[in-house]
Amino acid sequence: EVQLLESGGGLVQPGGSLRLSCTASGFTFRSFAMSWVRQAPGKGLEFVSIISGSVGSTYYADPVQGRFTISRDNSKNTLYLQMNSLRADDTAVYYCVRDKMAVPSTRSAFDIWGQGTMVTVSS
Amino acid sequence: DIQMTQSPSSLSASVGDTVTITCRASQTISGYLNWYQQKPGKAPKLLISVASRLQSGVPSRFSGSGSGTDFSLTISSLQPEDFATYYCQQSYTTRFTFGGGTKVEMK
Repeated sequence: EVQLLESGGGLVQPGGSLRLSCTASGFTFRSFAMSWVRQAPGKGLEFVSIISGSVGSTYYADPVQGRFTISRDNSKNTLYLQMNSLRADDTAVYYCVRDKMAVPSTRSAFDIWGQGTMVTVSS
Repeated sequence: DIQMTQSPSSLSASVGDTVTITCRASQTISGYLNWYQQKPGKAPKLLISVASRLQSGVPSRFSGSGSGTDFSLTISSLQPEDFATYYCQQSYTTRFTFGGGTKVEMK
């Protein structure tokens, strides 16, 4: 069964850091680009970042550029999101998501989603 | 950056109705538009990619159309399990912007 399992969410103070992890199973992890998408409470979906399957090309949304870093370890089938300088408006459920493509492209579409992990930034 | 605008933001419909949701891009995105369905407390589900390609396992009552800047998602003969929020997403750029969502509620 294809599955994504996020971990690492929690409560953090403004200005703090957190690292999210996502463990994949049921598919050849290195063959797919992987992404993080977030959803603030009661709000819509917001793209955060994406990384290609093996080359390691990365892309970020403007609100997180310079503060968040996406990475992956294909030997461990794991995706990461290092989040620094966290702000209250980073509070959201963070979803780990698989792209249908190996490299982010015009034909990208997010076909497998994890259950999400909640990140709360508050003092 | 490309902005994606969905309309309406919500609608009320009955089982058996046909509903259409529209999504407009702030600039041309060719046909690179995806649609997702999200139910309360659940992760989104990919319904349609590249404007009109139905994903495996998605009922044929769902259909997508459009190109350039204007797109639509149509649900024919609405079923009880279709009451949910729907999002469009552009894949023309690597910013992968989502629309604000359309909530389909039961009348």
